[in-house]
Amino acid sequence: AQSVTQPDIHITVSEGASLELRCNYSYGATPYLFWYVQSPGQGLQLLLKYFSGDTLVQGIKGFEAEFKRSQSSFNLRKPSVHWSDAAEYFCAVSGNTGKLIFGQGTTLQVKP
Amino acid sequence: GAGVSQSPSNKVTEKGKDVELRCDPISGHTALYWYRQSLGQGLEFLIYFQGNSAPDKSGLPSDRFSAERTGGSVSTLTIQRTQQEDSAVYLCASSPGMPGQGVYSPLHFGNGTRLTVT
Repeated sequence: AQSVTQPDIHITVSEGASLELRCNYSYGATPYLFWYVQSPGQGLQLLLKYFSGDTLVQGIKGFEAEFKRSQSSFNLRKPSVHWSDAAEYFCAVSGNTGKLIFGQGTTLQVKP
Repeated sequence: GAGVSQSPSNKVTEKGKDVELRCDPISGHTALYWYRQSLGQGLEFLIYFQGNSAPDKSGLPSDRFSAERTGGSVSTLTIQRTQQEDSAVYLCASSPGMPGQGVYSPLHFGNGTRLTVT
């Protein structure tokens, strides 16, 4: 069965600092991987996705993520965090059936 | 165009009562998902419909929960004999096709139904 682990429940970074949110997945074949963001009181928005090809994918709002098959990871990064990035971030994995499983989420707090 | 529509947006019910939550997916989307979001629990998968295939019910937490999708479109999630631990936001999402298909796109989410069981 597919599953996703986001080891960090809560992360605090200073504005302007770099960010890395961790995501580990379990799936027996090539996964389809996603990062979603949920701002306070808002719906879920897709940040980026990996289907195949280049393992470094670029998303919206300056985010990127790297698929590392050997580590079963799909970590999200941003070089310089803005106060508006404070939100909850969800990693998700899907397989060839289309069933999509989310991780528990990581809450990002940004210090001024 | 119209997005995923869920109704009601809020529902308060007494413990032991049955509730029905409705989801209208985007027209033409073959995949429909139900998730539950509770504080500190992330997005819990409940059930997944894909076209005419048998639904994946592996996430339903108990036999009090059931869902159906009529005509490949509207879906209803039913919770019987509600309990306080059922209080959560129930999210519906839809997408066209499946990963690997050209028409596939990531999920479109509705605004959710906030269920409060008193």
